[in-house]
Amino acid sequence: DVKVTQSSRYLVKRTGEKVFLECVQDMDHENMFWYRQDPGLGLRLIYFSYDVKMKEKGDIPEGYSVSREKKERFSLILESASTNQTSMYLCASSLGQDLLETQYFGPGTRLLVL
Amino acid sequence: GEDVEQSLFLSVREGDSSVINCTYTDSSSTYLYWYKQEPGAGLQLLTYIFSNMDMKQDQRLTVLLNKKDKHLSLRIADTQTGDSAIYFCAESSRHAGNNRKLIWGLGTSLAVNP
Repeated sequence: DVKVTQSSRYLVKRTGEKVFLECVQDMDHENMFWYRQDPGLGLRLIYFSYDVKMKEKGDIPEGYSVSREKKERFSLILESASTNQTSMYLCASSLGQDLLETQYFGPGTRLLVL
Repeated sequence: GEDVEQSLFLSVREGDSSVINCTYTDSSSTYLYWYKQEPGAGLQLLTYIFSNMDMKQDQRLTVLLNKKDKHLSLRIADTQTGDSAIYFCAESSRHAGNNRKLIWGLGTSLAVNP
């Protein structure tokens, strides 16, 4: 079974803090994704990565950066957290293309920025 | 751009069938997906269908695809209270070169009443 883990289930941070959200997958997947999920807005893609050290902007990259130094780990960074970044953050991974593009999700990190 | 639409709410009685509908726009989609999200959890892959298929059945789940109308549906037979969740429809869409990403609907919240 594919396992995607996220470092925290719940996180509370203050405005202006630097926040790291970590995601690890154990199935040697090529692709990794970060989404945020907000009521009424569904899933919105923040950043994704097709390979180590590669990253591509998703639909809402502003205020976020990412790092992929190792294949199994994809980090989302909020350089200076703001209250409008309070959200549920979901990490996903997929093996590759075609059917291999099926995405597998972690349990999510619920972030509250005060 | 690409878009996926689905109704936001559905309420059924326990034991009835549920039908969740979805429309999409990208005619080049290779796979279409249904994911389930239980409260406070990440997304779990329920089923998928390849774009050259009309129907796929998996135990209580039946997926119907009308490629001409770009319409996808998920039927859950004998719906149980444990099926209460948000159901997301997603289509694969060409991104850059041969890479693809998933385009997500906003999710249909299914409420099963005893």
